[in-house]
Amino acid sequence: SAVISQKPSRDICQRGTSLTIQCQVDSQVTMMFWYRQQPGQSLTLIATANQGSEATYESGFVIDKFPISRPNLTFSTLTVSNMSPEDSSIYLCSVETGGRSYEQYFGPGTRLTVT
Amino acid sequence: GEDVEQSLFLSVREGDSSVINCTYTDSSSTYLYWYKQEPGAGLQLLTYIFSNMDMKQDQRLTVLLNKKDKHLSLRIADTQTGDSAIYFCAESITGKLIFGQGTTLQVKP
Repeated sequence: SAVISQKPSRDICQRGTSLTIQCQVDSQVTMMFWYRQQPGQSLTLIATANQGSEATYESGFVIDKFPISRPNLTFSTLTVSNMSPEDSSIYLCSVETGGRSYEQYFGPGTRLTVT
Repeated sequence: GEDVEQSLFLSVREGDSSVINCTYTDSSSTYLYWYKQEPGAGLQLLTYIFSNMDMKQDQRLTVLLNKKDKHLSLRIADTQTGDSAIYFCAESITGKLIFGQGTTLQVKP
């Protein structure tokens, strides 16, 4: 398994500002993912972040709005830029442990409210 | 396209079995997952099944996969009040997870 922590756990931000969310894993992993869960909704993949390459974004998500860094195999950040109330969501990172295991684990999430 | 569907709500009595159903559309999915989300918490991986299997059992949990019908189910035996949560099924396509809407399981004492 993998133990994942995220910072901050929650934040209230003003529109027009940016917030960077950190994701730390207790072991080296190749594949990390960022998801969004809007209030009362399911999870939607924002992007895949692999170390040593640019993040791959899903349809409807762009790098200017959600820049991602992946400096090493245990850490990643997601920035939510120029926030609006529509960005109020829970943001979760996840990892695939790889090898012969295809288990995917999630962090506890960052609950973001934009006012 | 990729689509995963679940019924939204299930209510059972404590001690009964719960069966949560899920259908998916993409036949190229390699693994299928079940996650549990309690209020205000993150997602807990319950179990997963490889697409070439048809059943997997893990203590109180039984996963059944009908690949022909693209149907996945999660059976929880002897359901307890602590099992009350939202249950998400998800299919993995090249590592990306596509989630269903989630099924809220209510367990009545």
